[in-house]
Amino acid sequence: NAGVTQTPKFQVLKTGQSMTLQCAQDMNHNSMYWYRQDPGMGLRLIYYSASEGTTDKGEVPNGYNVSRLNKREFSLRLESAAPSQTSVYFCAGKGHRGEGGYTFGSGTRLTVV
Amino acid sequence: GQQLNQSPQSMFIQEGEDVSMNCTSSSIFNTWLWYKQDPGEGPVLLIALYKAGELTSNGRLTAQFGITRKDSFLNISASIPSDVGIYFCAGRGPTGTASKLTFGTGTRLQVTL
Repeated sequence: NAGVTQTPKFQVLKTGQSMTLQCAQDMNHNSMYWYRQDPGMGLRLIYYSASEGTTDKGEVPNGYNVSRLNKREFSLRLESAAPSQTSVYFCAGKGHRGEGGYTFGSGTRLTVV
Repeated sequence: GQQLNQSPQSMFIQEGEDVSMNCTSSSIFNTWLWYKQDPGEGPVLLIALYKAGELTSNGRLTAQFGITRKDSFLNISASIPSDVGIYFCAGRGPTGTASKLTFGTGTRLQVTL
């Protein structure tokens, strides 16, 4: 039971570099989400995908893009990394039952120097 | 963006003590959820609440959905060292908000022997 899998687990980037964070789920979730977690600020929604083929901005989308490649995969791309994007990134999925909670991946710790 | 006020921010307690934490919002929620995050991992769902006034237990954990629908409480009885971690509340607004969750800023719990 893999659940929600994120890769890589750790990454260091130089300012201006680009990279894609990968997320895949095997739980048949319709909805998928990307959050960032910063000290004292909880979890803030970056982008989400309510279903395959759709994506929408969350609370803090600037500097990011996403792709819902298929039902299983939802990637987050940083085109030109900035130090302010140093954070821990979590991907999550939710089934089609409206009231349920999210299942989270184990996170990607990103440092931009 | 909307955030939940979660308190306390952190607490140190002795093994065997009971713990209480709460979450308040300026908006009404239809669902309240409580998550726990262990170091280096993603949040894991502990308890879900779906009705105002609902009281639900999961082992030593008990959570309540406030009558006003603007708050929720989590109690941990007879704490043990493995209770250490960050506890997050999360709420979901009325239908039409795309089932997105709003997260609190977390309560960091540390248990001493």
